[in-house]
Amino acid sequence: AQTVTQSQPEMSVQEAETVTLSCTYDTSESDYYLFWYKQPPSRQMILVIRQEAYKQQNATENRFSVNFQKAAKSFSLKISDSQLGDAAMYFCAYRGRSNFGNEKLTFGTGTRLTIIP
Amino acid sequence: ETGVTQTPRHLVMGMTNKKSLKCEQHLGHNAMYWYKQSAKKPLELMFVYNFKEQTENNSVPSRFSPECPNSSHLFLHLHTLQPEDSALYLCASSQDPQGVGANVLTFGAGSRLTVL
Repeated sequence: AQTVTQSQPEMSVQEAETVTLSCTYDTSESDYYLFWYKQPPSRQMILVIRQEAYKQQNATENRFSVNFQKAAKSFSLKISDSQLGDAAMYFCAYRGRSNFGNEKLTFGTGTRLTIIP
Repeated sequence: ETGVTQTPRHLVMGMTNKKSLKCEQHLGHNAMYWYKQSAKKPLELMFVYNFKEQTENNSVPSRFSPECPNSSHLFLHLHTLQPEDSALYLCASSQDPQGVGANVLTFGAGSRLTVL
């Protein structure tokens, strides 16, 4: 079974600085999706960024970018120019990509990010 | 109203009560999901409905009973719960059925359940 590990339960960063959240996963599949979701205090989880394993180029969405290391099974999220609104729980998630159409989304335990004004 | 709406936001119930959680999506999505979120644990998938048909029951106790009358509405009926069932219950929807395409989820804000 696939597992997703987020080894940093909590992180903090000074406003306007850069922070990197780590995520590793375990899989025997060669093709899959990886996601970062954000859950602010409002509790509504929002997709931040996604990466398809067959694409070598790292995904980027404005201030959010990933460092996808397929061989190392690592998928870290970098937040540049941190803003107060970035304070949230961040969840890394994995989903296999097969022909069977029943792949589940597996989440990590999350990293709580605090932004220091 | 747009997105995924969950009601109630907070619910306190005794172990002998019967209550229901409601989820509504206004996105025209084809799949809906119930997740359980407990502190310091990964999100646990409970149920999946693709095109109103239940396609997954992830070994959930029968005291949780889902209902999907149409592709826009999803309910979770609660009966004879235990204190360990206290958690945040998240509803989500996706354009693609589970396992198809990128299957990006749109979540609601959750219903915080406390069982006394």
